[in-house]
Amino acid sequence: DIQLTQSPSFLSASVGDRVTITCRASQGISSYLAWYQQKPGKAPKLLIYAASTLQSGVPSRFSGSGSGTEFTLTISSLQPEDFATYYCQQLNSYPPLTFGGGTKVEIK
Amino acid sequence: EVQLLESGGGLVQPGGSLRLSCAASGFTFSSYAMSWVRQAPGKGLEWVSAISGSGGSTYYADSVKGRFTISRDNSKNTLYLQMNSLRAEDTAVYYCAKCKMAARPINTFDYWGQGTLVTVSS
Repeated sequence: DIQLTQSPSFLSASVGDRVTITCRASQGISSYLAWYQQKPGKAPKLLIYAASTLQSGVPSRFSGSGSGTEFTLTISSLQPEDFATYYCQQLNSYPPLTFGGGTKVEIK
Repeated sequence: EVQLLESGGGLVQPGGSLRLSCAASGFTFSSYAMSWVRQAPGKGLEWVSAISGSGGSTYYADSVKGRFTISRDNSKNTLYLQMNSLRAEDTAVYYCAKCKMAARPINTFDYWGQGTLVTVSS
């Protein structure tokens, strides 16, 4: 099974900050990686797919990069509505379709 | 507008059974693979199962294999998850999710339902 390790697991930041979250895969997954945002009590929302493609309707301050085993999600200027938990997911090899452990972004 | 509406959650005793449903609308249901993902209270996301658009291919996490069965009725635009031999560790919110790309194997989840809570407790 492919394991995904997200770092950090918790991040405290201010509005306007540039934020970067890393997702490392235990083996190469090409660009078969997605990023999701989840707010408390809500379903996850797709932000990025194929490692770097922005989902329709998602603000351009979100971007994704990477391939192989190392990936990043960047929020260029953190907004109040971005405080949430972020998950990466690999779709290269299944079953299982694995998620990272999550990164909670909180207000400093 | 794509909508996914789960139902069937509730309180069940260990060893019991439950069937979840996910009613889909706003897209050609039979063209898209679908999946179930769960989230235990205060925990992260765990993929549970997936099924191809035709229903001919199914996939399971090791944690549920042999106990859960995913199926779909394309005439009713509905996805199902039959859960047997339930355990306390199956307690979670269960989400159904639609794959983004039509006529393709399992891929990114672009729409999710609101979730239904399953609680396994005596």
